[in-house]
Amino acid sequence: AQSVTQLDSHVSVSEGTPVLLRCNYSSSYSPSLFWYVQHPNKGLQLLLKYTSAATLVKGINGFEAEFKKSETSFHLTKPSAHMSDAAEYFCVVSPNQAGTALIFGKGTTLSVSS
Amino acid sequence: DAGVIQSPRHEVTEMGQEVTLRCKPISGHNSLFWYRQTMMRGLELLIYFNNNVPIDDSGMPEDRFSAKMPNASFSTLKIQPSEPRDSAVYFCASSYQGARTEAFFGQGTRLTVV
Repeated sequence: AQSVTQLDSHVSVSEGTPVLLRCNYSSSYSPSLFWYVQHPNKGLQLLLKYTSAATLVKGINGFEAEFKKSETSFHLTKPSAHMSDAAEYFCVVSPNQAGTALIFGKGTTLSVSS
Repeated sequence: DAGVIQSPRHEVTEMGQEVTLRCKPISGHNSLFWYRQTMMRGLELLIYFNNNVPIDDSGMPEDRFSAKMPNASFSTLKIQPSEPRDSAVYFCASSYQGARTEAFFGQGTRLTVV
């Protein structure tokens, strides 16, 4: 069975400090992994994806994530938070099986204070 | 491409009325997903189509909900009769090759049933 766990429901940081949003996954197959961002009253936008190429993946807006198979983790990081980063972030696993849909984590709300 | 297009963006209806939500996926995508998002339950997969055929409808809450995909460029989600607990944001997403690639989301339809 496949699943994804976002370890923090809410993360608060100050502007200019690093961001770490944690995600662990479980998959019987070699998975594809994604991070999506949702700003208030908006749809979900793809931040970055891992599909078995380089383990360190760079996305939009300065975000990156590292796939660690030994730890079954795919944590999202950014060196310096900006006010515009305040949003909800979803970690997503793809079972890579025909006839299955993406599996979403419950989301992490990122707050950024000035 | 204009992305995934959903209509209407907002819908307010009275309890007991029929509601139809519409989605136009990205041209060339062969998988389509309907999700529902609420504060209490987060993001839930309702139904998943592949090549216009429903693959997994286990997330459809009850018989009041139905979804169709008559062709590759159009899908509907219908609620009849609607109830206040159906109030949520409904997202449509499409992808190529189902779970093997990322899904692209529409802006959502905010449904309020009074």
